[in-house]
Amino acid sequence: NAGVTQTPKFRVLKTGQSMTLLCAQDMNHEYMYWYRQDPGMGLRLIHYSVGEGTTAKGEVPDGYNVSRLKKQNFLLGLESAAPSQTSVYFCASSYIRRWNEQYFGPGTRLTVT
Amino acid sequence: KNQVEQSPQSLIILEGKNCTLQCNYTVSPFSNLRWYKQDTGRGPVSLTIMTFSENTKSNGRYTATLDADTKQSSLHITASQLSDSASYICVVTISGNTGKLIFGQGTTLQVKP
Repeated sequence: NAGVTQTPKFRVLKTGQSMTLLCAQDMNHEYMYWYRQDPGMGLRLIHYSVGEGTTAKGEVPDGYNVSRLKKQNFLLGLESAAPSQTSVYFCASSYIRRWNEQYFGPGTRLTVT
Repeated sequence: KNQVEQSPQSLIILEGKNCTLQCNYTVSPFSNLRWYKQDTGRGPVSLTIMTFSENTKSNGRYTATLDADTKQSSLHITASQLSDSASYICVVTISGNTGKLIFGQGTTLQVKP
């Protein structure tokens, strides 16, 4: 099993550009999450999904959109990147009955200039 | 406000020495507390999970303690190895149907030869 994978690993964007981060999991998990990690702060939840076709806002959703068209994939989109979105982004997934046992991907380091 | 505070922020120890990381939380209602290890450039990986009724739990050279009365947890690492160099994150789960995870900011441990 590959677990949770994320693409790309690194990306540099200019302000105003758009991009999509892809998360894939092969553990048949129902729940998937997107977090951002900033220096000196704990991980913060951006959006999450409890199933295919269903998404919900987390703690810091502004400036991001998500889609879950397939159970194994969860996409995070930035429509118009801003320097404040410079961060490391982590995707995670979990089973519905053990939702707090989350498995994390390796992260995507995004820099917005 | 639900918060998880970790100390110290960073720590340097010599290989073979022991160390203890601290986690204080003000989270209610409490469900469980989990310690994650995050290697540089990787996603967090769960080390231990502790529920309200558990005082101590070990995972190899890692021993976690929980004092639910004082709302404190510690992670003790015995006979440290170079591979223990990582960030250690304390995560508390809020119980209930709208449960969520509260992440600490992490302690960065560097083990030197």
